[in-house]
Amino acid sequence: GEDVEQSLFLSVREGDSSVINCTYTDSSSTYLYWYKQEPGAGLQLLTYIFSNMDMKQDQRLTVLLNKKDKHLSLRIADTQTGDSAIYFCAESIRNDYKLSFGAGTTVTVRA
Amino acid sequence: DVKVTQSSRYLVKRTGEKVFLECVQDMDHENMFWYRQDPGLGLRLIYFSYDVKMKEKGDIPEGYSVSREKKERFSLILESASTNQTSMYLCASSSFTGAYNEQFFGPGTRLTVL
Repeated sequence: GEDVEQSLFLSVREGDSSVINCTYTDSSSTYLYWYKQEPGAGLQLLTYIFSNMDMKQDQRLTVLLNKKDKHLSLRIADTQTGDSAIYFCAESIRNDYKLSFGAGTTVTVRA
Repeated sequence: DVKVTQSSRYLVKRTGEKVFLECVQDMDHENMFWYRQDPGLGLRLIYFSYDVKMKEKGDIPEGYSVSREKKERFSLILESASTNQTSMYLCASSSFTGAYNEQFFGPGTRLTVL
């Protein structure tokens, strides 16, 4: 079965890098996703990585995947106040409609 | 711009009332989902539907039912609301192709049951 875990809180100074970590247990995961939820809003897809990749970079975002350890991370470079949000890690399994979400990491950016 | 809309942003109901939460998507997606979001627990799947009139239970279906009479609309029903159903409810839709599975979310309905 799927079980996605992530730490609940992260505080980071504006301009620093943020690193959010996630572990998953199902080795047959095909895609892994990072969603962002801003205050009072629904979730929005931030980025994703296919399971045969190790790294994906998209502007200030870097996703690292370690399949051996079932570890996923999201690095946000030059963190801004607009990056304050809850970040959810999620995995999908081939031929399954569902996504399995972690509990979400609340990122607070301080001046 | 793709859109998932939910009928209410905030709702206050009394214990024992029947509650309807409506969700509409304009992307012609086959799949629709209802989640509840609670602090520290993340998103938990209540029900989902992969076609009109089809539904499957998620991880926490007890106390809830759903209805999907039209492709674009998916309703969540609380037959007799209880205080432990106070939560944020999120609707999502997707066009699942067997691999990539991005879900698009509505803004959420914050339900308070008194």
